Amino acid sequence: AQTVTQSQPEMSVQEAETVTLSCTYDTSESNYYLFWYKQPPSRQMILVIRQEAYKQQNATENRFSVNFQKAAKSFSLKISDSQLGDTAMYFCAQLNDMRFGAGTRLTVKP
Amino acid sequence: DTGVSQDPRHKITKRGQNVTFRCDPISEHNRLYWYRQTLGQGPEFLTYFQNEAQLEKSRLLSDRFSAERPKGSFSTLEIQRTEQGDSAMYLCASSLVSSGEYEQYFGPGTRLTVT
Repeated sequence: AQTVTQSQPEMSVQEAETVTLSCTYDTSESNYYLFWYKQPPSRQMILVIRQEAYKQQNATENRFSVNFQKAAKSFSLKISDSQLGDTAMYFCAQLNDMRFGAGTRLTVKP
Repeated sequence: DTGVSQDPRHKITKRGQNVTFRCDPISEHNRLYWYRQTLGQGPEFLTYFQNEAQLEKSRLLSDRFSAERPKGSFSTLEIQRTEQGDSAMYLCASSLVSSGEYEQYFGPGTRLTVT
């Protein structure tokens, strides 16, 4: 079965430091997209970053970057210079199969 | 463009009652998805439409659930004879499928509480 696994239910980081959230996935698709979404408390899901599987270069969006290891089916999210507004649930997703991970609750501490 | 909207935002109902939720996608998007999310978990796929055609339904979508997208624009999700286990956030998302793009844009959700 196609799955997305996030092994870290909760993480915390000090403001201005760097944190990495882990994700592994399984798919039978030959070409696919991977996504990280952010869901702040009581607010809607928004896209953080996406990666196209056929691209070898890791995606970056300002303070957010990914480490995409296709052979290992690993897709981690790195947040640099963490800010208080980064506090949220983060979900890894493989949307060809409409699959989300269970999420990682990230708390940024002042 | 105002994004994906959902109505109502909150619904409290008694067990056994029927409820209907509405989703208005981003206007040019041809795909519309319904997910269910319980507290502290990731969204679970229920069903999706491409234009007015319902292309896939999850095994989570029991016979008490039905979804429609009559004109390929807004969609409704109806739950008949609600049960306490139906209490969850129901999320709608939409996307424009072209060149293999799969990015989904989410609405704020409808929180259902069954008492």
